[in-house]
Amino acid sequence: GAGVSQSPSNKVTEKGKDVELRCDPISGHTALYWYRQSLGQGLEFLIYFQGNSAPDKSGLPSDRFSAERTGGSVSTLTIQRTQQEDSAVYLCASSFTKSAGTEAFFGQGTRLTVV
Amino acid sequence: SQQGEEDPQALSIQEGENATMNCSYKTSINNLQWYRQNSGRGLVHLILIRSNEREKHSGRLRVTLDTSKKSSSLLITASRAADTASYFCATVPNYGGSQGNLIFGKGTKLSVKP
Repeated sequence: GAGVSQSPSNKVTEKGKDVELRCDPISGHTALYWYRQSLGQGLEFLIYFQGNSAPDKSGLPSDRFSAERTGGSVSTLTIQRTQQEDSAVYLCASSFTKSAGTEAFFGQGTRLTVV
Repeated sequence: SQQGEEDPQALSIQEGENATMNCSYKTSINNLQWYRQNSGRGLVHLILIRSNEREKHSGRLRVTLDTSKKSSSLLITASRAADTASYFCATVPNYGGSQGNLIFGKGTKLSVKP
């Protein structure tokens, strides 16, 4: 595809429900990142996938959050038993990197609202 | 945890003026990148500077890096109203198993008035 695609673009869910957010990275990109951004704040790192290596999960805020990346391509971020403080924009990015440091391409994000 | 801290948090200037934003970070880095964000959605990459570089230019953008002070600056010359956005620095740390990970600062909100 032309860029990183995220779906849905907006999601409203009831407190306590589970949600799945999807990210389609740019074809061929080996690295995939998930971030969370609360209103007017910076980007909070959640998880980072790099090729076939074990993902860096050090940013996941609780065990209610999990992510997987199937076949080295599409990634799904799952939030179980959502809470109001989970409301934020969830951003996905991908980059082509075999070692450290090339530019990341971002999707437009999923705005999650927990009511 | 966030690696970078941008300064100032907000900056308001007139069109035609230069805008300077600073970023400080904590750990050894492989490279530092600057991104722009409009309207709280996707970020766009502006420029990347490697740890062995001191200055880089791209159009109206000039980035400097001082690894001894663990700081970087982004200068936008001859600003335009369309430059109004939030600007973030992001570092690729050079430690442990997180090579390649991108850690963002909190951003500077730039407002350019016509």
